[in-house]
Amino acid sequence: QSDLSQPASVSASPGQSITISCIGTHDDIGRYHHVSWYQKRPGQVPRVIISEVWTRSSGVPFRFSASKSFNTATLTISRVQPEDEGHYYCCSYTSRDSWIFGGGTHLTVL
Amino acid sequence: QVQLVQSGPEVKKPGDSVRISCKTSGYTFTDHHMHWIRLAPGQGPEWMGIINIGDDVPRSSQKFQGRITFTRDTSTATDYMELNGLRSDDTALYFCARDNNWATDYWGQGTPVTVSS
Repeated sequence: QSDLSQPASVSASPGQSITISCIGTHDDIGRYHHVSWYQKRPGQVPRVIISEVWTRSSGVPFRFSASKSFNTATLTISRVQPEDEGHYYCCSYTSRDSWIFGGGTHLTVL
Repeated sequence: QVQLVQSGPEVKKPGDSVRISCKTSGYTFTDHHMHWIRLAPGQGPEWMGIINIGDDVPRSSQKFQGRITFTRDTSTATDYMELNGLRSDDTALYFCARDNNWATDYWGQGTPVTVSS
């Protein structure tokens, strides 16, 4: 089973908004509500920021939001801040009773 | 507070086995499944498997079936992952991560495993 597909990188200036897409199949994102997003800053372990498609984790700013449509999940960061820089990974439960991650998107804040 | 503390770095040769421990504290061990995930340089996380609390039957990614074993010791609230037949492409940072509502909310600090001849 292939990884979920994400763009390798995205960049934005502080205050701008960005979206990160995560493309799966009807056997994962298209079938289940169990889609999550992780943020990983250098030197830190990944932390979940979104679970169950759009539910923000405790302490995650409101400017982080997410959605899904058919086989694609999307993470939106409004009003990007310097501390948002890092890698973002999507993750989905699959019909093979397993989990699959995306390859990751690096956000650079200019 | 919830803590997952993993065993230390490992250096192995091709064909060796590695066993990583994940000692938990701060929550009821038997209330949460435990995932094992690895992160190789320059790649996204790779899900390896899960120990399902409900039936204690571990499930693994097809990629690792036949060479991965999960065990748990409820007396010490510790999970273990053993990977056999190591290859150079198994070099990665290995994590245990607590399941919470179909996502992972707490992660261990990671165990670096280097496989080199």
